[in-house]
Amino acid sequence: AQSVTQLGSHVSVSEGALVLLRCNYSSSVPPYLFWYVQYPNQGLQLLLKYTSAATLVKGINGFEAEFKKSETSFHLTKPSAHMSDAAEYFCAVTNSNAGGTSYGKLTFGQGTILTVHP
Amino acid sequence: DTAVSQTPKYLVTQMGNDKSIKCEQNLGHDTMYWYKQDSKKFLKIMFSYNNKELIINETVPNRFSPKSPDKAHLNLHINSLELGDSAVYFCASSQVRQGLAGAFFGQGTRLTVV
Repeated sequence: AQSVTQLGSHVSVSEGALVLLRCNYSSSVPPYLFWYVQYPNQGLQLLLKYTSAATLVKGINGFEAEFKKSETSFHLTKPSAHMSDAAEYFCAVTNSNAGGTSYGKLTFGQGTILTVHP
Repeated sequence: DTAVSQTPKYLVTQMGNDKSIKCEQNLGHDTMYWYKQDSKKFLKIMFSYNNKELIINETVPNRFSPKSPDKAHLNLHINSLELGDSAVYFCASSQVRQGLAGAFFGQGTRLTVV
């Protein structure tokens, strides 16, 4: 079984400040991890993914995340927040065994709403 | 071109009705999914099809019946709609056999049952 916990349902930062959104996972097999962003009344857009290559992953819009196996974490960061980053962010995990029972099924965290103040 | 498109975007209907949501992907992916996002924004998988074969069925009432006529399409039919079915339903696709690049999501269908 897999699960994801996102610490903090709401994060508020000032424009230009560091963004840190926390994600911890639980998985009995090597995981693949993802961050998605959802803007109001929109679908989910893939920000970045960890699929067992480099542990520091860079994504779109200046976001990056680091996979830390010892801490079972995959926190999302951005050095300088922009107003356009305001959205809800979801961390997700799937089984790295593509042909197994998961077939890419994503298990999501509860989401973190990011607010950016001018 | 939209990679994963679903119709309709909004659906308002009365309890007891039957409704369908359609999804199409033009990415050539081999696997498609339906996810449900509830009023608290929690996302949970409902179904997954791989090459038109049902792979995942996650404890969903049998009033929900997915159908995949081909690899590019996955529809969701819901019978006897209930108030609790109100949610946003997302279709997604991914190419599982060639590694897990992550799923691509449609824009969602906001279903409101009154």
